[in-house]
Amino acid sequence: QAQLVQSGAEAKSPGASVKISCTASGYNFLLHGITWVRQAPGEGLEWIGWISTYTGRTYYGQGLQGRVSMTTDKSTNTVYMYLGSLRSEDTAVYYCARENGGYGDYDVWGQGSLITVSS
Amino acid sequence: QSALTQPASVSGSPGQSITISCTGTSSDVGAYDLVSWYQQHPGKAPKLIISEVNKRPSGVSSRFSAYKSGNTAYLTISGLQAEDEADYFCCSGVGVGTYVFGSGTKVSVV
Repeated sequence: QAQLVQSGAEAKSPGASVKISCTASGYNFLLHGITWVRQAPGEGLEWIGWISTYTGRTYYGQGLQGRVSMTTDKSTNTVYMYLGSLRSEDTAVYYCARENGGYGDYDVWGQGSLITVSS
Repeated sequence: QSALTQPASVSGSPGQSITISCTGTSSDVGAYDLVSWYQQHPGKAPKLIISEVNKRPSGVSSRFSAYKSGNTAYLTISGLQAEDEADYFCCSGVGVGTYVFGSGTKVSVV
């Protein structure tokens, strides 16, 4: 069955950067875009951005514009999210999710990657 | 882009029906039929329960239904069960390729 497996938890210092991976299996990787969502402790969901696994085209939300980028590696069915200039407010669980029909319908989710930013 | 507005909490008794609202603007909820709903249990990843305003994915209980009116979307849970106790988030398109989530609603079954 379709599955997304993310990289593990990381602890970072303020000002550092982080790269999170999301590896897909069980479906045709090129047919579905991948969205990234984060959730700070005790808070709601924040839409970060989306990448086409076929073309590499990206769309980013306003919140992290300029600090976030996403790339895709077709050879390994993996999407990467980079977040730079980390701040304590970036402490959150980061999820990748598969967009099913291209209508903001995220039907398969990764297990989440906890990123902790602290000095 | 500000988060869509949802009530912080909604509660109901087993067997009852509850409705959660998701209020946006004419630039997001009102502009596109791209509203989805997610259920999230503590410590778990969100689960898609409604897509494109009112479409229920395969395997999702028919007790979940949804619709949109103007700038507000609604999710109804009928025949409330203990397992429905969770956080619920709406999500709407807000422009080319971009989306925004709602603030989230904690559903309690009392």
